[in-house]
Amino acid sequence: EPEVTQTPSHQVTQMGQEVILRCVPISNHLYFYWYRQILGQKVEFLVSFYNNEISEKSEIFDDQFSVERPDGSNFTLKIRSTKLEDSAMYFCASSEALLTAMEGNQPQHFGDGTRLSIL
Amino acid sequence: AQKVTQAQTEISVVEKEDVTLDCVYETRDTTYYLFWYKQPPSGELVFLIRRNSFDEQNEISGRYSWNFQKSTSSFNFTITASQVVDSAVYFCALSEAWPGDMRFGAGTRLTVKP
Repeated sequence: EPEVTQTPSHQVTQMGQEVILRCVPISNHLYFYWYRQILGQKVEFLVSFYNNEISEKSEIFDDQFSVERPDGSNFTLKIRSTKLEDSAMYFCASSEALLTAMEGNQPQHFGDGTRLSIL
Repeated sequence: AQKVTQAQTEISVVEKEDVTLDCVYETRDTTYYLFWYKQPPSGELVFLIRRNSFDEQNEISGRYSWNFQKSTSSFNFTITASQVVDSAVYFCALSEAWPGDMRFGAGTRLTVKP
């Protein structure tokens, strides 16, 4: 069964450094998302991406964050200058195109996550 | 604005007991979608079910069943004859129409003891 893959599984970075988290969504999916989960807390939406642009972003997704789809397969999340509070598990997700209004929002399929530790 | 409340932080049951996980949501949209995800100790998020706001039919899948009631804005999840492998954190989530970003509840940690 096709799946969303994320690399690396664990990233350790010094505070203030830039970090790029990588995701390969399921190949026929057109909607892409990033979420984060601080240890022991709920999953929080960061950003959604469709047709090569951001569709929606949360208040967490400030100027330090950016997303990109540099080619036909990868979807990346960049944090420009990491802070201690950026330490979390970051999940990438993708979903299919909407076929009809009745189809509605398709389930999002999640990758296994990248654990980001900021020192 | 959308909001999901899972009031039960932790539930512990003994194997073979039935258990219900509660989920209450808030939304101003008339079209919305509800989801349940399972997060086992290994950390991944596993999709369990999606329900559209215009389909209130309850669903059963093996030992899992879901009760969607728009009148009380609830989407509860029942596991019948629980097993140790059901131990996980379960998240309820809501997305309004386009672009479909999900808002998760705080999760309920279910522990099933042998």
